[in-house]
Amino acid sequence: QSALTQPASVSGSPGQSITISCTGTSSDLGGGYNYVSWYQHHPGKAPKVMIYDVSKRPSGVSDRFSASKSGNTASLTISGLQAEDEADYYCCSYVGRSTYVFGSGTKVTVL
Amino acid sequence: QVQLVQSGAEVKKPGASVKVSCKASGYTFSDHYVHWVRQAPGQGLEWMGTISPSGDRTSYAQNFQGRVTMTRDTSTSTVYMELTSLRSDDTAVFYCASEKSGSGWFDPWGQGTLVIVSS
Repeated sequence: QSALTQPASVSGSPGQSITISCTGTSSDLGGGYNYVSWYQHHPGKAPKVMIYDVSKRPSGVSDRFSASKSGNTASLTISGLQAEDEADYYCCSYVGRSTYVFGSGTKVTVL
Repeated sequence: QVQLVQSGAEVKKPGASVKVSCKASGYTFSDHYVHWVRQAPGQGLEWMGTISPSGDRTSYAQNFQGRVTMTRDTSTSTVYMELTSLRSDDTAVFYCASEKSGSGWFDPWGQGTLVIVSS
């Protein structure tokens, strides 16, 4: 199972919105599963879930984070970009038979 | 406090094995799958595998098949990940992460365990 494809980096100014794409195949993102999640990872810390079930936010996660999926591509949007959003972001998808795959990761830089 | 606490850093020689532990506290661990994720230096997160709540079922990523074994001690709420035949490119931080059965997402995560493979 190959990693899902994400852009290596995305940047934006404070207050702007950015979108990170996560592209897979009909075997993973397009496979009919809605177990797509997104994780924020600051270096040296444990990853933190930001989105689950494609578009749901866990309690405590800012509503500036939103996500969706269409076909083989999932997307994460960060609105009102803030300095604290600077981190690596990973998508993750269930691919059947109790297996998962992560995206290649995107470094978000706040200019 | 809901948390997973992992064992400390390890230094191993090529060809050796490493066993990392992950202990849960503060929640009903018995209805959670536990996953292991590897992050090599400068690389992304890589899903390694998972073990069921009762410990009787495992599923491993193809990249690790034959080298990884995940086990679970329900009496101590601890999960173990053993990786054998270590190579220098196994140098990485290994994370455990909890998934409430059937939820499809991982939370909480352990703090990570650095494993260095060097001769």
